Amino acid sequence: GQQVMQIPQYQHVQEGEDFTTYCNSSTTLSNIQWYKQRPGGHPVFLIQLVKSGEVKKQKRLTFQFGEAKKNSSLHITATQTTDVGTYFCAGMQKTSYDKVIFGPGTSLSVIP
Amino acid sequence: GAVVSQHPSRVICKSGTSVKIECRSLDFQATTMFWYRQFPKQSLMLMATSNEGSKATYEQGVEKDKFLINHASLTLSTLTVTSAHPEDSSFYICSASSPIGGRFYNEQFFGPGTRLTVL
Repeated sequence: GQQVMQIPQYQHVQEGEDFTTYCNSSTTLSNIQWYKQRPGGHPVFLIQLVKSGEVKKQKRLTFQFGEAKKNSSLHITATQTTDVGTYFCAGMQKTSYDKVIFGPGTSLSVIP
Repeated sequence: GAVVSQHPSRVICKSGTSVKIECRSLDFQATTMFWYRQFPKQSLMLMATSNEGSKATYEQGVEKDKFLINHASLTLSTLTVTSAHPEDSSFYICSASSPIGGRFYNEQFFGPGTRLTVL
């Protein structure tokens, strides 16, 4: 079945440093979504990428979707303490019911 | 974004009892709702996909007789954990999405989750 992998599992950065998490799928995806979950909270949708090679930006966050639509990355520039949380990628493979499979997540800690 | 509520937020029950968890989309019609399970510091594991008016589609390894899902309306899905045991203790989260062409198509909105503890 479809597998979605994510690295690194944990990342500790000094405030102001950049951060990147990478997501890889075993199969070609119809789209990929990114979510953020704060400690004790529930996942919150950040963005969806659909097109091959697509790049989207949200302020300090840059999202990329690979040309083969099997990998993606999330880059945060100049991290802040508010960026703390776990970032999940979720790959959608076209099935009869459009389910998404979540990666294991990358837990980001920001040291002030 | 849209709002999804979940009730109860926390439940403690004795082994052998059944627990029902409700998931409601408050401001949009959710033709599809998803039920996930999340263990501490782990990812979300999709349990089942629920479409309004039809039987839920369960993921491999999830017992459909153990986890009963009902999606009776466009705004409500329920998950019933039957004859709960301590190993069923977990964080259960639902999410909802809207149909093709809808404002929130393909975007999932998550409920706040239900912490189930089985003694």
